[in-house]
Amino acid sequence: GAGVSQTPSNKVTEKGKYVELRCDPISGHTALYWYRQSLGQGPEFLIYFQGTGAADDSGLPNDRFFAVRPEGSVSTLKIQRTERGDSAVYLCASSLSSGTKETQYFGPGTRLLVL
Amino acid sequence: QQQVKQSPQSLIVQKGGISIINCAYENTAFDYFPWYQQFPGKGPALLIAIRPDVSEKKEGRFTISFNKSAKQFSLHIMDSQPGDSATYFCAASGTTGANNLFFGTGTRLTVIP
Repeated sequence: GAGVSQTPSNKVTEKGKYVELRCDPISGHTALYWYRQSLGQGPEFLIYFQGTGAADDSGLPNDRFFAVRPEGSVSTLKIQRTERGDSAVYLCASSLSSGTKETQYFGPGTRLLVL
Repeated sequence: QQQVKQSPQSLIVQKGGISIINCAYENTAFDYFPWYQQFPGKGPALLIAIRPDVSEKKEGRFTISFNKSAKQFSLHIMDSQPGDSATYFCAASGTTGANNLFFGTGTRLTVIP
């Protein structure tokens, strides 16, 4: 079956612009995670959805970052007034349900470059 | 602060050799310790995982050793192959109320033919 997909695969934008990154989780997975991976680093947690609600958004760096999952499937990560420091790979992962027993399956990521 | 510390940063091993990557953690609430493998341009993929109620888990050429008292765990890749060349991340999860993974900084493994 299809894995986690993310679009676009690459995004180049200018400082100050608004961007949206999309994640399509594995069908039937109720839990969805967003992580950010800077060059040479491990992924860092941003936000976690269980169904439609954000169960934990403690990793969002500031109020320029926002994510939604209105129907409990596809999620969109939104970044306002982008800054050069936002440049990174944004990874989405999904799992069958919440809880530490569940494997998180990652998508290929969206590479964001802010000029 | 870094919740999971990983070493070495990079590792070069001859084909057929053993690759060993080490991780340490501080938070005793962690109860799930996966290892992820990442190839360039791809997302991380789960390789093997362990819970703290066992000291070792083996799947094929990959073994996790877990030392609960020392709060350390390691990945051993036996008979390393060039196709194993990738970046490996240890991770941990299980803090109260959270399901997210805390990742180490990664180890770039190169297996020389």
